[in-house]
Amino acid sequence: KAGVTQTPRYLIKTRGQQVTLSCSPISGHRSVSWYQQTPGQGLQFLFEYFSETQRNKGNFPGRFSGRQFSNSRSEMNVSTLELGDSALYLCASRRDTLQETQYFGPGTRLLVL
Amino acid sequence: GQQVMQIPQYQHVQEGEDFTTYCNSSTTLSNIQWYKQRPGGHPVFLIQLVKSGEVKKQKRLTFQFGEAKKNSSLHITATQTTDVGTYFCAGLGWAGETSGSRLTFGEGTQLTVNP
Repeated sequence: KAGVTQTPRYLIKTRGQQVTLSCSPISGHRSVSWYQQTPGQGLQFLFEYFSETQRNKGNFPGRFSGRQFSNSRSEMNVSTLELGDSALYLCASRRDTLQETQYFGPGTRLLVL
Repeated sequence: GQQVMQIPQYQHVQEGEDFTTYCNSSTTLSNIQWYKQRPGGHPVFLIQLVKSGEVKKQKRLTFQFGEAKKNSSLHITATQTTDVGTYFCAGLGWAGETSGSRLTFGEGTQLTVNP
């Protein structure tokens, strides 16, 4: 079974731009969660989508948004990029409930200049 | 809201020494998960503990879940250079009416092993 895939793997943007990241979950997994990882803040939860609906949301500003498609693939968008948005963005998929194991993708490393 | 504290933040050991990382939650957890992230890699699921007082072993790794389901530990016996990485705990608990159930990660313990 193929693992979680994320595209692109690396991205360089400038302040003020917007960016869209993509995540394809493991086949059969309906839940996709997004995390931001920075050296100082660890793994911070952004949001979770399940069956095309946002099921849970972390404490990030409205510039961070996401969506999920009918095939469970998910996208995350960050508008008006700031220098502090430079981070590794990880998505993780699980089959269904929060009690189940989640599997992380390789991440997208975003650098904002 | 729910908070998960993990200590120590860094641990340097000589190969062959033991290593332990501790995780404490501000609220009672439904379960706790442990992940390992190698340098430059992504978190990889190691194990999940669900029952109060549960102990699980994976070769040289021993995982414990506290009786009150608010703390957990990961112990590695006789570390090897392949154990290098950051170990994260993640607790599933109730984060309040607004947030519902939430998986909250600890800040991780970065382990380095000197050969």
